[in-house]
Amino acid sequence: EPEVTQTPSHQVTQMGQEVILRCVPISNHLYFYWYRQILGQKVEFLVSFYNNEISEKSEIFDDQFSVERPDGSNFTLKIRSTKLEDSAMYFCASTGLLSYEQYFGPGTRLTVT
Amino acid sequence: ILNVEQSPQSLHVQEGDSTNFTCSFPSSNFYALHWYRWETAKSPEALFVMTLNGDEKKKGQISATLNTKEGYSYLYIKGSQPEDSATYLCAFGSGKLTFGTGTRLTIIP
Repeated sequence: EPEVTQTPSHQVTQMGQEVILRCVPISNHLYFYWYRQILGQKVEFLVSFYNNEISEKSEIFDDQFSVERPDGSNFTLKIRSTKLEDSAMYFCASTGLLSYEQYFGPGTRLTVT
Repeated sequence: ILNVEQSPQSLHVQEGDSTNFTCSFPSSNFYALHWYRWETAKSPEALFVMTLNGDEKKKGQISATLNTKEGYSYLYIKGSQPEDSATYLCAFGSGKLTFGTGTRLTIIP
């Protein structure tokens, strides 16, 4: 069965460093999302992406964040200068055309020290 | 700000017993209500997407109902097994999903 994959599973970085989280969505999907869950809190929406542009973003998704689909398969989330409060589990999800169902990856645990 | 709430936050159930838990969401501007099953270190697994008031969906021993007028959905597990232990998340919306806090279910053998 097709699945969304994410790498790395765990990333440790120092405050102020740039990180890139990678996702490979399901191959024929067209809509892509990033969510995050800070420990003990709800899963929260960051950004949605369609047709090579951001379709919606949350207040969290400020200028420090960017997303890109550099080729036909990868979907990346970049945090330019990480802060301690960026420590969270980051999930990628994708959806096909005419479907509400979002398929999630297993997440990348980001730890900022 | 959309508020999606789930109760209870955690639940311990004896193997073989049935159980249910609740998701409440805004009753206006409804698009879809999602249920996910999430085991630690795995991807959240989509159980159901419900779009119509009165929807009832079933997958094995798990079923869900939807009331969009009053803004709630119930998830039922009949004859629970240890492998049903997981966190069950509900999420409201289409595209941008707004999640509840989850119900952490532990089945006691």
